Amino acid sequence: SQQGEEDPQALSIQEGENATMNCSYKTSINNLQWYRQNSGRGLVHLILIRSNEREKHSGRLRVTLDTSKKSSSLLITASRAADTASYFCATAARGTNKLIFGTGTLLAVQP
Amino acid sequence: DGGITQSPKYLFRKEGQNVTLSCEQNLNHDAMYWYRQDPGQGLRLIYYSQIVNDFQKGDIAEGYSVSREKKESFPLTVTSAQKNPTAFYLCASTALRGRSTDTQYFGPGTRLTVL
Repeated sequence: SQQGEEDPQALSIQEGENATMNCSYKTSINNLQWYRQNSGRGLVHLILIRSNEREKHSGRLRVTLDTSKKSSSLLITASRAADTASYFCATAARGTNKLIFGTGTLLAVQP
Repeated sequence: DGGITQSPKYLFRKEGQNVTLSCEQNLNHDAMYWYRQDPGQGLRLIYYSQIVNDFQKGDIAEGYSVSREKKESFPLTVTSAQKNPTAFYLCASTALRGRSTDTQYFGPGTRLTVL
C-alpha cells in the first residue's frame, strides 16, 4: 500500500543545474519527509515539512507542500556530482506511527 | 557515537533456513521499524514496534518474525516461509512525538541473498 508516487522515476542533469522531484500521496497527512539514499546504503533524512507549512528551506534544498493537491516537490539548486543518489518522499498519516515511502527518483548529476 | 547499527552487512542463506538480522540503536528511541527494499523499489514496511514487548505487522509481514525484548534491540527473523527473501533489509528508529512519526534514522542495511 505505497502511498507516495514520485515523478520522474529518473533524472539526469549537469552539475550546476537545478533538479526538481515531485511526490504525490493519497490520504491526509501529518507531515511529509524527504530522504536520500546512496547506492547500497541506508536512507538519510533531508527535510520534514508539516501539513500546516507550505514551503521549507534547508541549504540548497527547497521543499513545497500543497495539501489541496496532495503533492510535494523537492528542489535541489546548483547540483553537484555528490548529489547523485535516489530520493524518496515519505508521508506520516495522521494518527499513525508509520511512514509510507514513495517509489523514489534516481538522480544522476553529470560532472 | 549515537546511531543505529545492523549486522551482518551481507548474509547468504540456503533455501529452507531461518536467518536472523540484527538491529541495535543507542539513540534511546521508542519506536523501531524493519523495511524491505527490492531493486529499484521503495521501502515496504515489514514490522514495527513502539514499545518493548509489543510490535505490529506492516504491509508484508508474512514469512517474517520479530521480537522486542529490549528498547535497544529489534531483531528480524526471515523464516523459511518467506518465499522470496532475497532483498535489502533496512532497520530504522524514531523518537515518538504525539501521534505521528517524526524523522526516522536508518541503519546501513543488510543484503540477504538466498542461494
